[in-house]
Amino acid sequence: GAGVSQTPSNKVTEKGKYVELRCDPISGHTALYWYRQSLGQGPEFLIYFQGTGAADDSGLPNDRFFAVRPEGSVSTLKIQRTERGDSAVYLCASSLGTSLLETQYFGPGTRLLVL
Amino acid sequence: AQSVTQLDSHVSVSEGTPVLLRCNYSSSYSPSLFWYVQHPNKGLQLLLKYTSAATLVKGINGFEAEFKKSETSFHLTKPSAHMSDAAEYFCVVSLPDTGRRALTFGSGTRLQVQP
Repeated sequence: GAGVSQTPSNKVTEKGKYVELRCDPISGHTALYWYRQSLGQGPEFLIYFQGTGAADDSGLPNDRFFAVRPEGSVSTLKIQRTERGDSAVYLCASSLGTSLLETQYFGPGTRLLVL
Repeated sequence: AQSVTQLDSHVSVSEGTPVLLRCNYSSSYSPSLFWYVQHPNKGLQLLLKYTSAATLVKGINGFEAEFKKSETSFHLTKPSAHMSDAAEYFCVVSLPDTGRRALTFGSGTRLQVQP
């Protein structure tokens, strides 16, 4: 079956602009995660959804970052007033259930470049 | 707080020789530990996971890892490297007992395989 997909694969924007990054999880997966991977680093947790609600948003760096999952499937990560430091690869993952022992399946990521 | 340290940022081996990628963790709780691999322009893929069952864990593509609580280590090994093993490898820890769903990634080890 299809894996986790993310669009766009690449996004170039200017400082101060608004961007939206989309994640399509594996069909039937109830848990969805967003991570951010800066150059030369491992991914860092941003937010976790259980169904439609954000169960843990402790990794969001500030209030310019927001994510939604209105129907419990597709999720959108929204970044307002982008800064050059937001440049990174944004990764989405999903898992079948809500136990952390379940495997998280990752998408290929969206590479965001803020000029 | 939980953390994971990958002791080598780069490892280079010859094809057909053993691979050892080192990982140490710190955690106040019983951790679950994972190794993920990231090939260029591809999503993260789970190699193997330890969840308090057998301490020697076998994964895909001939990789295995041993959980050693006394040494707080979870090193990844493979008896014989293939060219296709060249990639970035991440050691990952989670704490299911705490209820937190986030995975904590190490900074990664880039494996080069020389012909």
